[in-house]
Amino acid sequence: GQNIDQPTEMTATEGAIVQINCTYQTSGFNGLFWYQQHAGEAPTFLSYNVLDGLEEKGRFSSFLSRSKGYSYLLLKELQMKDSASYLCALMDSNYQLIWGAGTKLIIKP
Amino acid sequence: DAGVIQSPRHEVTEMGQEVTLRCKPISGHDYLFWYRQTMMRGLELLIYFNNNVPIDDSGMPEDRFSAKMPNASFSTLKIQPSEPRDSAVYFCASSLAPSGAFYEQYFGPGTRLTVT
Repeated sequence: GQNIDQPTEMTATEGAIVQINCTYQTSGFNGLFWYQQHAGEAPTFLSYNVLDGLEEKGRFSSFLSRSKGYSYLLLKELQMKDSASYLCALMDSNYQLIWGAGTKLIIKP
Repeated sequence: DAGVIQSPRHEVTEMGQEVTLRCKPISGHDYLFWYRQTMMRGLELLIYFNNNVPIDDSGMPEDRFSAKMPNASFSTLKIQPSEPRDSAVYFCASSLAPSGAFYEQYFGPGTRLTVT
């Protein structure tokens, strides 16, 4: 079966850097997604990794290690608008997404 | 494109009543997904369609839930009879077919269902 773990909540300071970790166990793997979800809104796509390494997109970067079953989302130069939940999702062998419970990120001034 | 459209945005109903949620996917997307999100259980896949055909409904909680996709531009999720434990936000999402490259799911704004 599949299992995804990520911290429930994290707090960081405006302007700082935060890393949100995601670990997973799966028998089939076709990539790992990160989505952002603001309170009361729908999830929106942030990043996708299928090969090991770091993918950078502006202030956000995502890393994947398939051998370790590990990914992280790195947010730099944090802004208040980054306060949201961040969902890690695994694409399984059937190309379906298995979702983590999400990490609520609280940004303090 | 207007994105994924869902209606209604909010629904309050009494236990035992029938509830119908509606979704219009992004034009050209081959896949349509229905999700339910609660604080306790997070985001759960209920059912998904490929080219209007239901592929996997193993996430549908029980026979009270049913979903249809009569054409490429419309899908419904029906709950009959509704129960208080069905209270949640229901999201519809659509995507292109996976082709070896990544594909992302585009979510609608959701329907917040409250069953009293």
